[in-house]
Amino acid sequence: QKEVEQNSGPLSVPEGAIASLNCTYSDRGSQSFFWYRQYSGKSPELIMFIYSNGDKEDGRFTAQLNKASQYVSLLIRDSQPSDSATYLCAVKYGNQFYFGTGTSLTVIP
Amino acid sequence: EAQVTQNPRYLITVTGKKLTVTCSQNMNHEYMSWYRQDPGLGLRQIYYSMNVEVTDKGDVPEGYKVSRKEKRNFPLILESPSPNQTSLYFCASSFSTGTGGDYGYTFGSGTRLTVV
Repeated sequence: QKEVEQNSGPLSVPEGAIASLNCTYSDRGSQSFFWYRQYSGKSPELIMFIYSNGDKEDGRFTAQLNKASQYVSLLIRDSQPSDSATYLCAVKYGNQFYFGTGTSLTVIP
Repeated sequence: EAQVTQNPRYLITVTGKKLTVTCSQNMNHEYMSWYRQDPGLGLRQIYYSMNVEVTDKGDVPEGYKVSRKEKRNFPLILESPSPNQTSLYFCASSFSTGTGGDYGYTFGSGTRLTVV
């Protein structure tokens, strides 16, 4: 069984702060890594994906991948109340995608 | 608008009564998949399809069937639903997950199924 682990939270940060979300995975053969955001009662939506070690930035979001340590993280800069949601980490092994159980983030105005 | 359309959004049924949840995508995606989402367990893959007539089991396939006769459609069939299949179901699609790279899923709006 492929494991994708996330701290369930809840994680609370004040508006304007940096939110840091982490994810670890069990299989070194994993190929691609994804972050999704899921608002309560809604379907997940893709935020960003990363394949290679290092950082990938998209607006206020930065994904960081460290394959040697088997973790991937998501940084949200200048957090806004609208960022309050559950963030899902997903990892691709072979032809399948595996999801963590998500981290609940609350941004306090 | 690029989207994955699932129907119905809500469904209450009785144990043993066959049902089908439909899923259709208009993005010409090769890869389609079904997930169920349960509190504390996250999203678990039921079945996936790499292309037309190519399907494979995910991690929790028992009690489910799928078919992929057309590229755009990927229905989920519960031949004899049981209460432990009460869950929130998501259909998702993506461009090919082959060596060309992975682009992540587009998810449907979800189907909340209750089996009594």
